[in-house]
Amino acid sequence: AQSVSQHNHHVILSEAASLELGCNYSYGGTVNLFWYVQYPGQHLQLLLKYFSGDPLVKGIKGFEAEFIKSKFSFNLRKPSVQWSDTAEYFCAVIPGGYNKLIFGAGTRLAVHP
Amino acid sequence: ETGVTQTPRHLVMGMTNKKSLKCEQHLGHNAMYWYKQSAKKPLELMFVYNFKEQTENNSVPSRFSPECPNSSHLFLHLHTLQPEDSALYLCASSQDLTLSAYGYTFGSGTRLTVV
Repeated sequence: AQSVSQHNHHVILSEAASLELGCNYSYGGTVNLFWYVQYPGQHLQLLLKYFSGDPLVKGIKGFEAEFIKSKFSFNLRKPSVQWSDTAEYFCAVIPGGYNKLIFGAGTRLAVHP
Repeated sequence: ETGVTQTPRHLVMGMTNKKSLKCEQHLGHNAMYWYKQSAKKPLELMFVYNFKEQTENNSVPSRFSPECPNSSHLFLHLHTLQPEDSALYLCASSQDLTLSAYGYTFGSGTRLTVV
């Protein structure tokens, strides 16, 4: 079945560590790619999105993601995490012609001071 | 606030109760969505409305009944639910279906517990 896969369900890091969260999708053709974040008790917020052009996308709060078409991947990165980055991160895809967001299962990140 | 308001924030209901979830947006969007968020599972798209017309029902049990009286309001009517229906129910909106890639705005959700 076509899907969005996030490899890590839980990640624990210390402050200042580097972060990379994996995301793979199985849809062929054109895709629009997104990363959302959900802080504890809050709504889903858009971190960044890729439509076309430069495959390295920069988002808010120092996050970036790289679209690698050959690997069907859209990994999220941040060079140095902070305690305030503790949240759940969701990768999502809009497959071409479908027009609806399909989400991965999410990765829960805990950053310790 | 995101511009998408969901009420109530929390709801506890018995399996024989009837209740409704409400979603309201004043962003000028024409597409609205219900998602179900359960622990350790991807967000599940339940229903899609575009210009008040339902365009998608993802095999959702009939005990969930959506209603979209206008482009600004979306309801989810609940009756005879099961404990496994306990989850966070999220509402979202976008400009319309063809422009959905430009972004969804999510509400804060209703945390539903079925006892």
